[in-house]
Amino acid sequence: AQRVTQPEKLLSVFKGAPVELKCNYSYSGSPELFWYVQYSRQRLQLLLRHISRESIKGFTADLNKGETSFHLKKPFAQEEDSAMYYCALHGSSNTGKLIFGQGTTLQVKP
Amino acid sequence: NAGVTQTPKFRVLKTGQSMTLLCAQDMNHEYMYWYRQDPGMGLRLIHYSVGEGTTAKGEVPDGYNVSRLKKQNFLLGLESAAPSQTSVYFCASSYSRGLAGEDEQFFGPGTRLTVL
Repeated sequence: AQRVTQPEKLLSVFKGAPVELKCNYSYSGSPELFWYVQYSRQRLQLLLRHISRESIKGFTADLNKGETSFHLKKPFAQEEDSAMYYCALHGSSNTGKLIFGQGTTLQVKP
Repeated sequence: NAGVTQTPKFRVLKTGQSMTLLCAQDMNHEYMYWYRQDPGMGLRLIHYSVGEGTTAKGEVPDGYNVSRLKKQNFLLGLESAAPSQTSVYFCASSYSRGLAGEDEQFFGPGTRLTVL
């Protein structure tokens, strides 16, 4: 079964501290994984995708096929990073469907 | 470009009432999706469409119907609302599947629905 698990509902850190938002997936083929972010009173938007191996707003995420993980990391958290973060997996069908994790709220305290 | 828009933004229904949520996109996207967002459950796919005139069931389709009569619009209907359908509903669209850089889903602002 295709599944995405984000084990933490809430992650609270102080400004300047490192951040790691965990994401584990279950998928039998070659996964395509994404992180989406929803800031307060804004719509959900793409943060980054594993295929492009890019760093956006200081965030990076590395696909680890051995551990079936795609954790989101940032070395120094900023208050403006406070948001809801969703890990998502592209399913195997040719429909563009995304399978989302439960989401993690990141709270960065001053 | 307005991107993806949703109507209405908020709605309160009584059990048994019906309503239609409208999603519109001006990006000429082929694919459109309806999700519901519930605390602790993430986003779950209700129905989706891969083109005008086509629809398919997602993960949680029961109690909902959809139509895609025009490429730019995707309607979500609740025929007989139930309290379990209290949620935030998001519409999304994407260009196509399979081409790098073109598979991003663009989301609407959401519709907050309460069923009493």
